[in-house]
Amino acid sequence: DGGITQSPKYLFRKEGQNVTLSCEQNLNHDAMYWYRQDPGQGLRLIYYSQIVNDFQKGDIAEGYSVSREKKESFPLTVTSAQKNPTAFYLCASSPLTEPRTEAFFGQGTRLTVV
Amino acid sequence: DQQVKQNSPSLSVQEGRISILNCDYTNSMFDYFLWYKKYPAEGPTFLISISSIKDKNEDGRFTVFLNKSAKHLSLHIVPSQPGDSAVYFCAASGGGTGNQFYFGTGTSLTVIP
Repeated sequence: DGGITQSPKYLFRKEGQNVTLSCEQNLNHDAMYWYRQDPGQGLRLIYYSQIVNDFQKGDIAEGYSVSREKKESFPLTVTSAQKNPTAFYLCASSPLTEPRTEAFFGQGTRLTVV
Repeated sequence: DQQVKQNSPSLSVQEGRISILNCDYTNSMFDYFLWYKKYPAEGPTFLISISSIKDKNEDGRFTVFLNKSAKHLSLHIVPSQPGDSAVYFCAASGGGTGNQFYFGTGTSLTVIP
């Protein structure tokens, strides 16, 4: 089945540690995105990438880093510089076609800092 | 600055009646609009979209209306069913924003049996 896989579903991290969230898609989509969801704040864009080896910062990129070495993979690293990392993280992908079509989301990773 | 806004955090509707969820946007460059449905601890699932060249798009019980002059879109669900209870996000994309999707803060819909 085609889709987006995020792992793990739940992740616990000690303060001061970096942690990497995985996102893999087999939809052959060019674009991939990372969003963060906090209560009452909707989905806020962290980073996005439209092509391998290239990515752009979103609205809340500080304290995060990404890589796009393969079309299928877009891992997100939450660094110790992120002040409030506890949140629900969502990865998405979309084709870059005209007319536009929707973004497809993974099931999310709940990160908790302990 | 929030470019896509959903001013109603919650909405309750009786089963069988119409649910109307509203969304406003500020960027006139947006040309593609979407609605997603989301359950807790899950990823959003796509419901329906509309291009800026249209003012209405219908898919079964779901209809999206776009008023470009008012920078406003709405999602109508008729008839509402208990299974529709979820958080609904509107999103926008296109124009000078590149290929990003901008999301609203969501409206929690409760359909009362």
